[in-house]
Amino acid sequence: DIQLTQSPSFLSASIGDRVTITCRASQGIGNYLAWYLQKPGKAPKLLIYGASTLEPGVPARFSGSGSGTEFTLTINGLQPEDFATYSCQHLDTNTYPFGQGTKLDIK
Amino acid sequence: QITLKESGPTVVKPTQTLTLTCTFSGFSLRTSGVGVGWIRLTPEKALEWLAVIYWNDDAFYSPSVNTSLTISKDTSGNRVVLTLTNIDPADTGTYFCAHTARIYDRVSGTYRPRNFDQWGQGTVVTVSS
Repeated sequence: DIQLTQSPSFLSASIGDRVTITCRASQGIGNYLAWYLQKPGKAPKLLIYGASTLEPGVPARFSGSGSGTEFTLTINGLQPEDFATYSCQHLDTNTYPFGQGTKLDIK
Repeated sequence: QITLKESGPTVVKPTQTLTLTCTFSGFSLRTSGVGVGWIRLTPEKALEWLAVIYWNDDAFYSPSVNTSLTISKDTSGNRVVLTLTNIDPADTGTYFCAHTARIYDRVSGTYRPRNFDQWGQGTVVTVSS
């Protein structure tokens, strides 16, 4: 089974900062990766799929890159609404595992 | 507009069977490629994919979940049901259902979804005696 490991697990940053979250796969997964944002008590929200394609309506300060085993989610210019937990997900043919999540909070 | 809503009991005793229902609108499980998946948020705040069912009755389950899972669909009623049998306190969490669509990927020569793009608000389940 493919495992996804996110780093860091916890991240503190300030408004306006640029932050990067990494998702590493235990074996190559092409670009079959999505990123989600989740806030307490809310449904997860799709941000990026295909490793780098921005979901319509998601602000351009979010970007994704990578392929194979290493992927990154970058937020340029943190906004107050961005403090949340971020998770990556691999979309295989019949299993769709998530990473363990990265909690981003205000410094 | 796609909407999904989860329903089910809030407290379940260990070893019992948990039945969760996802009622959706704005799409049809009779449409080619369409699927509905179940994902839970653990008390450790990690998302865990559980199961998915597609328009053609293809169903897939997480190999990492120890509890026995069964997913089924009621096409006429726009509902998807997830059953967890012999439930354990480790199954405590918030359960979400989500819409997905499987497409043909020419690079890999396989059918797979790109994402889970619309989610319900979730239902909280506590497994405790």
